[in-house]
Amino acid sequence: DAGVIQSPRHEVTEMGQEVTLRCKPISGHNSLFWYRQTMMRGLELLIYFNNNVPIDDSGMPEDRFSAKMPNASFSTLKIQPSEPRDSAVYFCASSPQLAGEYNEQFFGPGTRLTVL
Amino acid sequence: DQQVKQNSPSLSVQEGRISILNCDYTNSMFDYFLWYKKYPAEGPTFLISISSIKDKNEDGRFTVFLNKSAKHLSLHIVPSQPGDSAVYFCAASVFTGTYKYIFGTGTRLKVLA
Repeated sequence: DAGVIQSPRHEVTEMGQEVTLRCKPISGHNSLFWYRQTMMRGLELLIYFNNNVPIDDSGMPEDRFSAKMPNASFSTLKIQPSEPRDSAVYFCASSPQLAGEYNEQFFGPGTRLTVL
Repeated sequence: DQQVKQNSPSLSVQEGRISILNCDYTNSMFDYFLWYKKYPAEGPTFLISISSIKDKNEDGRFTVFLNKSAKHLSLHIVPSQPGDSAVYFCAASVFTGTYKYIFGTGTRLKVLA
């Protein structure tokens, strides 16, 4: 298995531009998570999906952020318009949903976003 | 409101000695606790976990201790090796339809050869 795949690995854009980050979870995993890593706040959960349905988006910082999961093998995180303070590393993670277990999360390599 | 706190941003330890990484939490509803390890330019990878009904879990050189009354957990690495140099994230898990993790800010461990 290739693991969680994220693209692009690096993104540099100018303030005001739209940014789309992509994620392919591990096949067979029911849950998908988007995180943002910053020095000040560590790994913050932005949103997670269970069986393609958004369950909790309370971590999404503003309306400029949106996420979709149109099918079990693909998710996007969009920022529109982007701002310099959105610069961070964005991780996608997936996990199986096994009854009675804590469901280890498997992370992708991340997308480093720089907004100038 | 940081529910999971790692108050030491960095730690340096000599090779062969013990590394102790600490984590505090505030929510007594957390039912699992996990440690993830992260190398530069990679995603975090799972290291070890502990259920809230236990106070110790050991896996090779890695041991996690849980003190529920103090809402504190720690990760011990013995002996420390240069390859252990990484950022370590503590996470707490709560079930809300699926298991949601709350991560700490991480501790950067440097093991000196």
